[in-house]
Formats: sequence, structure tokens, C-alpha cells
Amino acid sequence: GEDVEQSLFLSVREGDSSVINCTYTDSSSTYLYWYKQEPGAGLQLLTYIFSNMDMKQDQRLTVLLNKKDKHLSLRIADTQTGDSAIYFCAESRGWGGATNKLIFGTGTLLAVQP
Amino acid sequence: DSGVTQTPKHLITATGQRVTLRCSPRSGDLSVYWYQQSLDQGLQFLIQYYNGEERAKGNILERFSAQQFPDLHSELNLSSLELGDSALYFCASFHPNYGYTFGSGTRLTVV
Repeated sequence: GEDVEQSLFLSVREGDSSVINCTYTDSSSTYLYWYKQEPGAGLQLLTYIFSNMDMKQDQRLTVLLNKKDKHLSLRIADTQTGDSAIYFCAESRGWGGATNKLIFGTGTLLAVQP
Repeated sequence: DSGVTQTPKHLITATGQRVTLRCSPRSGDLSVYWYQQSLDQGLQFLIQYYNGEERAKGNILERFSAQQFPDLHSELNLSSLELGDSALYFCASFHPNYGYTFGSGTRLTVV
């Protein structure tokens, strides 16, 4: 089955690194994503990783994928108060097209203390 | 602005009523996905359309239905509304170059 789990809450101090973790069960997952949701807003794609990669870096964001353990993490370097939001991990079996849908995790609320 | 437009932004209605939520995908995107976000269920996939045809169904209640029109906009119809249908409803569209893009959602409150 398809199941994506995340811890519910993470609190960090401004300037520290944040690490948000996610586990998934679907061994057919091909793409894994991180979305950000700010209060009252929609879902903003932060980054995604293809399953044949184990790391992807994009400015302050680093994604690590352990396919054997089905574990995904998002590291935010130099966390700022503007990073406070809910972060969703998601997976899909393919890249869009006719039948691929996103399956989301429960979301992690990141609170950044000044 | 993500390019995916959802209307209305907010909707308050009474139990037993019927509402229609509208989504216009990014220009050129053929796929539209509908999601429901509630406190107890999280983000749940409801239904997907591709170029006018239903392609996948998730946890969508029989009281809910959707369609995609020739101009590719989509409507989600929710009928016989219950208090538990109160949620944020998102639509997303897909483009091979940009991936999945979400609208800002419609917040439905059933009273």
C-alpha cells in the first residue's frame, strides 16, 4: 500500500539547521517531493528527487534519500523565521501523466524561534 | 500566483446543501487533480482528470463528483453536505517541465 509518515512538529532556533524526516512504504515510488504550506496558502513545491539519486542540493535545501530504508529527509540550512510553515513529503510512482498522483505525508509543522 | 486558479476562495454553506468548486489549470496543462485537506485526514487525493477523462479515483465520497470540460477547467461538486466535509479543497495541474502545481485552495465551511 501507499503510506507516507512524518513527525508532526519540529522547533528550531533561527540560524540553526532543520532536518525534517519522512518514511514511505511504496517500493514503486519513483519521485519524492517536498512541499511547503504557509498559513492560509496553497502548496509550494520546494524540491523533488528521482529515486535513482541519493542526494540533491538546492541553495539552502538538501534532500537525502535512503531508498533501502525508504527514508527521505529535508535539511534546511541557516533556518529563518520565514521558513516557519508546514512541510509535506509526497511520493508518486511516475512523473505526472495520465495516472500518477501524489500521495502526501501528514505534514511537519516547523516553528522557527527568533 | 501559481497559475492554477481556484474559485471561490471561501465558501460557507449549510448542511444538506450542494456546492461547486472550480479550478482552472495552468495554461497547457492537461491533468487536474483534486485533493481534500482536513485536520483529521490530512491531504487526501480525491480524483484526477486528464484531457477531459477521469483517470484515477481516490477517497472520494459518492456524494462528490467532478468533471473536466473541453477548455480543461474542472469542477468539483459536493452535495448533501455534512459538517465533516468542512475542509480545504485543492486542485493541482501537471506539466512535464514544471511538475505538479497547486492552486491556493477553496476553504469550505459547512454549518
